[in-house]
Amino acid sequence: QKEVEQDPGPLSVPEGAIVSLNCTYSNSAFQYFMWYRQYSRKGPELLMYTYSSGNKEDGRFTAQVDKSSKYISLFIRDSQPSDSATYLCAMMRDDKIIFGKGTRLHILP
Amino acid sequence: DADVTQTPRNRITKTGKRIMLECSQTKGHDRMYWYRQDPGLGLRLIYYSFDVKDINKGEISDGYSVSRQAQAKFSLSLESAIPNQTALYFCATSDFGGSETQYFGPGTRLLVL
Repeated sequence: QKEVEQDPGPLSVPEGAIVSLNCTYSNSAFQYFMWYRQYSRKGPELLMYTYSSGNKEDGRFTAQVDKSSKYISLFIRDSQPSDSATYLCAMMRDDKIIFGKGTRLHILP
Repeated sequence: DADVTQTPRNRITKTGKRIMLECSQTKGHDRMYWYRQDPGLGLRLIYYSFDVKDINKGEISDGYSVSRQAQAKFSLSLESAIPNQTALYFCATSDFGGSETQYFGPGTRLLVL
């Protein structure tokens, strides 16, 4: 079983819809949970990180962590065409980050 | 100017050649990382360095070496390139105690023929 599992997509949704992106993990030692966004031909950029179970909100983005289920989610409200990118979940233990494979997201105008 | 720069941005080389990818940062961060990204495999850590005198192997270090010339510079070498090292390579930095917040460079696209 891989440490971090993420559906590669692609996921296509209409503009304005709520997007839900998810990852599961197997190692309960992970301490930090992050979401990175990567546009085509660019490096990943950090969107959000959280340490504890629960929700963290930043504008149209909400990160959710459920440690009991080993499941994390990223919700995007009022999705825009500019949100079209690959979204990478990532988890950290002992200063080492393990990335998911990324989900390609297309927001259709 | 970009905080994390990588040179070259694109490189084509032949099997058996030695090549070096360079990374420089102006963020003043102590920690630097090298990753490779392959379709279907995601980002994988090659080497990382928490300060100038600290070098550590990552998940996939075989066939690679690194040099931390200064706090701001971290180079990745392929001693004898092989085709399965064709990938997108990223350098990243983070501040001490903040490995969860990494800043990535624009990447180097490497093709080994």
